[in-house]
Amino acid sequence: EVQLLESGGGLEQPGGSLRLSCAASGFTFSSSSMTWVRQAPGKGLEWVSGISGSGGTTYYIDSVKGRFTISRDNSKNTLYLQMNSLRAEDTAVYYCAKGSPTFQHWGQGTLVTVSS
Amino acid sequence: EIVMTQSPATLSVSPGERATLSCRASQSVGSNLAWYQQKPGQAPRLLMYGASTKATGIPARFSGSESGTEFTLTVSSLQSEDFAVYYCQQYNSWPLTFGGGTKVEIK
Repeated sequence: EVQLLESGGGLEQPGGSLRLSCAASGFTFSSSSMTWVRQAPGKGLEWVSGISGSGGTTYYIDSVKGRFTISRDNSKNTLYLQMNSLRAEDTAVYYCAKGSPTFQHWGQGTLVTVSS
Repeated sequence: EIVMTQSPATLSVSPGERATLSCRASQSVGSNLAWYQQKPGQAPRLLMYGASTKATGIPARFSGSESGTEFTLTVSSLQSEDFAVYYCQQYNSWPLTFGGGTKVEIK
């Protein structure tokens, strides 16, 4: 059974940093592209970033380019999202998802709140 | 960026009735269109990809179709577990984009 467990969310001040993690199990992690999708409170879904199975190819939405970095450690079956220079508009539940460009399995999400 | 527009924003339907949800792309996405279902407090679930191919485990009452840049998700006979928010997503070009969602509520 595919399982994705996000962690690392919390309250951070504008301009601060957080690193999200997504621990994966139940599938061959190194063979799967992975994705981060976010959802602001009461709003719709927004694709944020994706990474190939090897980690050699990454994609970002324009609003996070230069601030967020997606990465993975295939030896630990873990996906990461390093979030720097956080803004209030980054406040959202961040989901990790298996697959790209469609998302077959999702974690339960971790809430990131950016506020002073 | 391809803009996905879903309509209506809210659809009120009685159990057992048919629900038809629409999604329009601002430019051609081919058949590179997926549908997701999200229930309150839960993560989204993939329903459909390739505009009309059901994901694993999706009931037969769900179907998808396309006509140019217009896409439709139909639920032939709504069950209680189908009341949720539905999102379309294009994956023809980066950035990947979602529609704003259609909430299907009990009439």
